[in-house]
Amino acid sequence: SQQGEEDPQALSIQEGENATMNCSYKTSINNLQWYRQNSGRGLVHLILIRSNEREKHSGRLRVTLDTSKKSSSLLITASRAADTASYFCATANSGGSNYKLTFGKGTLLTVNP
Amino acid sequence: DTGVSQDPRHKITKRGQNVTFRCDPISEHNRLYWYRQTLGQGPEFLTYFQNEAQLEKSRLLSDRFSAERPKGSFSTLEIQRTEQGDSAMYLCASSHTGTSGGGRDTQYFGPGTRLTVL
Repeated sequence: SQQGEEDPQALSIQEGENATMNCSYKTSINNLQWYRQNSGRGLVHLILIRSNEREKHSGRLRVTLDTSKKSSSLLITASRAADTASYFCATANSGGSNYKLTFGKGTLLTVNP
Repeated sequence: DTGVSQDPRHKITKRGQNVTFRCDPISEHNRLYWYRQTLGQGPEFLTYFQNEAQLEKSRLLSDRFSAERPKGSFSTLEIQRTEQGDSAMYLCASSHTGTSGGGRDTQYFGPGTRLTVL
């Protein structure tokens, strides 16, 4: 079963605009990771945020985590056509099974030049 | 580049045949994972190794599936008597359990093996 649910399922924006994707999950987590996947390819790790962290930045990426609402958001600023991809959130549960990731269905982001 | 590699990248087979995939993790990583991804879905966990020990298998992994990681290095995933429902992308990932550093717990994925069962 898939724990993370990304919202929206698809997002289309113009180059230079910001893109925000949300992720909700159901159980207590150890960490949450965001990945990017270009069509038909492997996943590229973007950022990991731990359950005791609230916000992290990496270049044009900003991730927030609200454990009370069991939700996370990924903000991509000043988007580029090369950011076009599917974006997945993945959670590692707290407790004994904290090694395996549970993915959502992803958000398909299209950045139009 | 010493990222995760997978071989082959694509495999087309006929129903009933056996197939084997290989994954070479990042060299210092002691944990290795297999996931399966079907079209329009996120990856789903199949199995996990810590060094050479297989510590968990998902119920998605039927008896036709077997995975090994001899000597705690590369891993193989074999599917026997393939079915059309096995068609998917098979992804391998690795991570390390070092006591510090931002890379701890981060899973790095390979490019995947796309299996098509005719």
